[in-house]
Amino acid sequence: KQEVTQIPAALSVPEGENLVLNCSFTDSAIYNLQWFRQDPGKGLTSLLLIQSSQREQTSGRLNASLDKSSGRSTLYIAASQPGDSATYLCAVRNQGGKLIFGQGTELSVKP
Amino acid sequence: EPEVTQTPSHQVTQMGQEVILRCVPISNHLYFYWYRQILGQKVEFLVSFYNNEISEKSEIFDDQFSVERPDGSNFTLKIRSTKLEDSAMYFCASRVDSQETQYFGPGTRLLVL
Repeated sequence: KQEVTQIPAALSVPEGENLVLNCSFTDSAIYNLQWFRQDPGKGLTSLLLIQSSQREQTSGRLNASLDKSSGRSTLYIAASQPGDSATYLCAVRNQGGKLIFGQGTELSVKP
Repeated sequence: EPEVTQTPSHQVTQMGQEVILRCVPISNHLYFYWYRQILGQKVEFLVSFYNNEISEKSEIFDDQFSVERPDGSNFTLKIRSTKLEDSAMYFCASRVDSQETQYFGPGTRLLVL
């Protein structure tokens, strides 16, 4: 059964710092991996999607990498801003289409 | 930009009552999903729906739950007899056939008393 784990559970950094969020999964037979942002009490906003055949994806200050064989993905946020404060979720998609989520990393960027 | 919408945003109901949560997926999307998130827990998959039938469902999605696409735009989740443990945020998501990204709605917060 696929399990997705994210560490750390919470992270607090000063504005401007570069940071890395980690995601690991137990079954490497994934179809793709998606990173989301969730603001308190709100829905999920898709940030990046990496196909199983890809190694990384970039969007603005965000870069996500995927090492399928070791069951790991990282989300790198460059030059963090207070507006980046949110919970970041990673989710893996199996062949059938459902997403299996990690518990999230709660990020706080202090001005 | 097109987005998934959900109504109501909040619903309070008594245990044992039926609730219907409504979603309007993005118009050209063909795959539809329901997920839920109990407070403080992971987002959990409930059910996926394609071509007017359920394509996959989780252990949570028992016979108290049902989904329907009653017309060309709405996608509904019905809970026949709500339990206290059904209290959660329910998210609808959709995706188009040619792309992999699932787009989520803002959620319906359900509270069962």
